[in-house]
Amino acid sequence: DVKVTQSSRYLVKRTGEKVFLECVQDMDHENMFWYRQDPGLGLRLIYFSYDVKMKEKGDIPEGYSVSREKKERFSLILESASTNQTSMYLCASSDPGVMNTEAFFGQGTRLTVV
Amino acid sequence: QKEVEQNSGPLSVPEGAIASLNCTYSDRGSQSFFWYRQYSGKSPELIMSIYSNGDKEDGRFTAQLNKASQYVSLLIRDSQPSDSATYLCAVSFGNEKLTFGTGTRLTIIP
Repeated sequence: DVKVTQSSRYLVKRTGEKVFLECVQDMDHENMFWYRQDPGLGLRLIYFSYDVKMKEKGDIPEGYSVSREKKERFSLILESASTNQTSMYLCASSDPGVMNTEAFFGQGTRLTVV
Repeated sequence: QKEVEQNSGPLSVPEGAIASLNCTYSDRGSQSFFWYRQYSGKSPELIMSIYSNGDKEDGRFTAQLNKASQYVSLLIRDSQPSDSATYLCAVSFGNEKLTFGTGTRLTIIP
């Protein structure tokens, strides 16, 4: 059974803290993604990685960075958390192939910044 | 910027009827199209993918793609209360990132 696992379901952090969100997949997928989901705005792509140590900015990368040192792990870093980064964060992975294939999602991390 | 548009709803459909969900996209070169279902508090899960013009059926679900009109739809036949969820349309060009619409909230009324 395919699995994308995010390290925390719920997280509460203080403004200004450095926050790490971890994601691990066991499907040997090359592509990994970080999205945030907010009411009325849908899923918005923060960063995308298509290989180890490779990353590409998504639509809303400001205030975030990522790290992919191993194929199975993709970390999202909030350099200095702010209240407007309170959101649901979703990690996903996919196998690119010739055409893009199904993205599998983790269970999500609901982050609250106070 | 590549865009995906969905009617946010909410869409209410009587049990047993056909639910019709629509999605338009801005990039004419888009190649892969997906419908995800998301229950409240849960992650999105794929229910249909479609790559070629025409219809694709899987059980009670039918995805329809019209690349000339840049339009993709999802039909749910014999709607059940368990179909109540938010449905997300996603589009990608080649091997690139997936772009999602804002989702349509569907409620099936018993």
